[in-house]
Amino acid sequence: QSALTQPASVSGSPGQSITISCTGTSSDVGGYNYVSWYQQYPGKAPKLMIYDVSNRPSGVSNRFSGSKSGNTASLTISGLQAEDEADYYCSSYTSSSTRIFGGGTKLTVL
Amino acid sequence: EVQLVESGGGLVQPGGSLRLSCAASGFTFSSYSMNWVRQAPGKGLEWISYISSSGRTIYYADSVKGRFTISRDSAKNSLYMQMNRPRAEDTAVYYCARDGLGGWYMDYWGQGTLVTVSS
Repeated sequence: QSALTQPASVSGSPGQSITISCTGTSSDVGGYNYVSWYQQYPGKAPKLMIYDVSNRPSGVSNRFSGSKSGNTASLTISGLQAEDEADYYCSSYTSSSTRIFGGGTKLTVL
Repeated sequence: EVQLVESGGGLVQPGGSLRLSCAASGFTFSSYSMNWVRQAPGKGLEWISYISSSGRTIYYADSVKGRFTISRDSAKNSLYMQMNRPRAEDTAVYYCARDGLGGWYMDYWGQGTLVTVSS
């Protein structure tokens, strides 16, 4: 099964908003409300930012939000800050009861 | 505080074997399903295996099916991955990750252990 499709990179200036897309199929993203998003700094473990499409774990800034339309999920970061510069990965539950990740998006804060 | 600590990584020859461990603490290990996720150098995340809280339900990615075996020991609060017949493309940092209670997302991750498959 191929990885979910994410843009390789996105960028934005401090204070701006950016959106990262994550496109799958009806067998994963489109079929279930089980999309999650992870933030990863270089050399560090991933951190859960969004689960079940749009829920934020305790402690995650409300500047992070998630949504889904059809086979595409999105992560939006508002009020961009320098500390948001990291890699972001989406993940989905699949019809085979497995998980699948996106290829990852490198966010650069200009 | 939830903690997941992986160990057992290192250099292994192609066709050899290696066993990874993940020691869990700070939560009731027997109540949570667990996963192994890996990341090849400079590459993205790849989910490779899941085990339910009871250990009765197990899933694998096609890339490791038939070669790797996930298991758990609730008495030792530990998760394992037995890697048999590893290939060069299995070289990666291996993370253990806990699923959210009743959910299909990974809410806590270990720091990872590096496995290098090379002769």
